[in-house]
Amino acid sequence: GQQLNQSPQSMFIQEGEDVSMNCTSSSIFNTWLWYKQEPGEGPVLLIALYKAGELTSNGRLTAQFGITRKDSFLNISASIPSDVGIYFCAGLVNSGYALNFGKGTSLLVTP
Amino acid sequence: DGGITQSPKYLFRKEGQNVTLSCEQNLNHDAMYWYRQDPGQGLRLIYYSQIVNDFQKGDIAEGYSVSREKKESFPLTVTSAQKNPTAFYLCASGRQGVNGELFFGEGSRLTVL
Repeated sequence: GQQLNQSPQSMFIQEGEDVSMNCTSSSIFNTWLWYKQEPGEGPVLLIALYKAGELTSNGRLTAQFGITRKDSFLNISASIPSDVGIYFCAGLVNSGYALNFGKGTSLLVTP
Repeated sequence: DGGITQSPKYLFRKEGQNVTLSCEQNLNHDAMYWYRQDPGQGLRLIYYSQIVNDFQKGDIAEGYSVSREKKESFPLTVTSAQKNPTAFYLCASGRQGVNGELFFGEGSRLTVL
């Protein structure tokens, strides 16, 4: 599958800080998604993006589908301890194919 | 409640043994997937199935086998040919036409002794 480069690899922040992470690829995707995985669990979908330039929010989370269709970013505002986990970006070329996942950004939040 | 169930959650096996991981969903999803997760490696696709009695290899299918005899079930067998089987295995399902929106099980952690 196509490679997704996700950064940063890990983040260690204080409660209340904003967080930004991104995902880039050399390939074009028609769908970008962001998932969160908590320890010992499976990932859970946070946000799905279907159009280039699309900006979508889910509570304190905001994600954007890059205009080139080769990147996406996720912002978390005013972080709280329960934001801890691994955040994965994922890209999909077209329906009928499987998702390609980035390697994840591990987020730690201290009270 | 609707969901996707993986079992067992933890599994130990000796080298040279085959082991089968179960994945069942009652979400009426057509598509099902198996991913392998290693620390720092993200999720890598092993096999996926878009419809009953059909499945495709993913990026790391060697040493694994699957079947899709029923819509609800997509078991994964880790064979003795898999050289490094110790990992966290995740099963997922999704609706056709709802691109990329997958529902994951809680995972199965396999340790080879």
